[in-house]
Amino acid sequence: VQLVESGGGVVQPGGSLTLSCEVAGLTFSNYWMYWVRQVPGKGLVWVAHVSNDGAEVGYADTVRGRFTISRDNTKNMVHLRMTSLTVDDTGLYSCAGTVTTYFNYWGRGTPVTVSS
Amino acid sequence: YVLTQSPSVSAAPGQAVSITCGGARIGGEIVHWYQVRAGQAPVLVVYDDSERPSEIPERFSGSNSADTATLTISRVEAGDEADYYCQVWDSSSVHPVFGGGTKLTVL
Repeated sequence: VQLVESGGGVVQPGGSLTLSCEVAGLTFSNYWMYWVRQVPGKGLVWVAHVSNDGAEVGYADTVRGRFTISRDNTKNMVHLRMTSLTVDDTGLYSCAGTVTTYFNYWGRGTPVTVSS
Repeated sequence: YVLTQSPSVSAAPGQAVSITCGGARIGGEIVHWYQVRAGQAPVLVVYDDSERPSEIPERFSGSNSADTATLTISRVEAGDEADYYCQVWDSSSVHPVFGGGTKLTVL
């Protein structure tokens, strides 16, 4: 099983980025997919999720209205469109999949730095 | 729901170490634990309070009662040096809640 994130980078405050996560080695359409942000000293924070069929999405209060999660079950990919970025959005963004309440599978993450 | 972890803990090789995760009545929740080595993807080391994935050594064990969940690593090895996070599921929605993480240093 492999989850590989891409799309991170350095962006100015107010800018936008789209992260992608490509999944291989599992039945992607069975898994709810999550984006989790890791910041040194602040731990892991749930950012957004999408249900296995894409019908249900959820967002942390800090990103609702600015981030959009989506998935393509034909390509085994999940995306996170991030707009109106602030310095507080800085961190390592990992995608993770689950069919229960714990995460068997994680990617290594893609770094996002919001800085002027 | 808030999960509280001590920022750091240390142990010499061969010693046992316990990493705690505090939360109101956490004993009524189901707790999972992850190991995050520098530059690597998180790895599930304990799920459902005390179950261990098949690939995880028996040195890793978990317990959960009252207001504290505990991850215990017996006979610590240098390769165990990492950040460890506890996780529960927010019962009012469908998203995970993570503790702040504990950095294990192997002396």
